[in-house]
Amino acid sequence: GAVVSQHPSRVICKSGTSVKIECRSLDFQATTMFWYRQFPKKSLMLMATSNEGSKATYEQGVEKDKFLINHASLTLSTLTVTSAHPEDSSFYICSARNLNTEAFFGQGTRLTVV
Amino acid sequence: QQQVKQSPQSLIVQKGGISIINCAYENTAFDYFPWYQQFPGKGPALLIAIRPDVSEKKEGRFTISFNKSAKQFSLHIMDSQPGDSATYFCAPMRGRDDKIIFGKGTRLHILP
Repeated sequence: GAVVSQHPSRVICKSGTSVKIECRSLDFQATTMFWYRQFPKKSLMLMATSNEGSKATYEQGVEKDKFLINHASLTLSTLTVTSAHPEDSSFYICSARNLNTEAFFGQGTRLTVV
Repeated sequence: QQQVKQSPQSLIVQKGGISIINCAYENTAFDYFPWYQQFPGKGPALLIAIRPDVSEKKEGRFTISFNKSAKQFSLHIMDSQPGDSATYFCAPMRGRDDKIIFGKGTRLHILP
């Protein structure tokens, strides 16, 4: 199947700093990308949907100024967690697809804010 | 976000046994019914999916059964193996291009 690469796989940052997570579709053009957050032993919670070249659509309760999403090209979307705090520590997962494919998921990024 | 009810929350099955996970939904506009498999520390992956024009789909040891009138679909894993130990999510959608909202998940453990 298609490959979605997420980087980094793990990151530790200090409170108050910002961290960027990249999501790349390696062998197809992703017209739509999704970002999820997952707490331990819990389900994936959709944070936002982004379409290439347009602003992301955030789910209710997700702060768009806190979680900045950029989908500038058909193969790359980024999630920036701004002014991170310990409660932002979580597993972040991206997903990518186009009109002809199912959604493929990245391997996830484990964020720890200390 | 929860439009589906997945059960059981956790399941332990002996090696070689049949694992059955159920998903009930409310939205009759759903027309694509996938199951995802997630291993610890990894992203989920599509395991098998069905459309409502058929009542059952089988791929190897994995079968989806779909009951449109009851608004339920289930995942059956035949001859369950320790390598099947994972968390399984249902995620019914309105077409394959809808956003994916996951059920709460079922943690499956296959005893060796």
